[in-house]
Amino acid sequence: DTGVSQNPRHKITKRGQNVTFRCDPISEHNRLYWYRQTLGQGPEFLTYFQNEAQLEKSRLLSDRFSAERPKGSFSTLEIQRTEQGDSAMYLCASSFRDRGDNEQFFGPGTRLTVL
Amino acid sequence: AQKITQTQPGMFVQEKEAVTLDCTYDTSDQSYGLFWYKQPSSGEMIFLIYQGSYDEQNATEGRYSLNFQKARKSANLVISASQLGDSAMYFCAMREGLNFGNEKLTFGTGTRLTIIP
Repeated sequence: DTGVSQNPRHKITKRGQNVTFRCDPISEHNRLYWYRQTLGQGPEFLTYFQNEAQLEKSRLLSDRFSAERPKGSFSTLEIQRTEQGDSAMYLCASSFRDRGDNEQFFGPGTRLTVL
Repeated sequence: AQKITQTQPGMFVQEKEAVTLDCTYDTSDQSYGLFWYKQPSSGEMIFLIYQGSYDEQNATEGRYSLNFQKARKSANLVISASQLGDSAMYFCAMREGLNFGNEKLTFGTGTRLTIIP
């Protein structure tokens, strides 16, 4: 039984470049979440999917950010025209919720550094 | 106003002692859930314990227990018999509006716990 996986684990890019991250959730999980965590802070919600439908997006998700989950399995998060303020850990989580108490299982994160 | 407040940026505790990590929350919803996660230096968030707003008993999971005081809006994590491996960041989180399908977790700023041998 594998957990949530994320690739790459680390990404260094220059300002203005586009980057894409991938998240593979736990196989039977129908919900997938993206969070962003900056240094010294707790994770902040970005967006979530139920199967392939993107049901909620945070105001933090500017026009430069786009997330997809095309077949309801893996998801990608793309950041266009990266800025130094985008430097953070990007965490993916998944869950299978039919009650209110099912926890979200987190992946190891992708650490983005924008130079 | 902060929805989740963790007032202890850092704590140092002697090995084998019990430790309480504070968490207060702010919500007007009647149905909500409170979570604690552990984040070691490796970065992965590890789920520890959950308390629902309608749960009458405090949640327990092994060495972890949640001291839920609804009227005070507090949900403190208690770790009994601390171990060196407990050294990590600990985050309190809340999911509001459980009856309305809200999925978002709101996290506090965390407490860095260091266990001293």
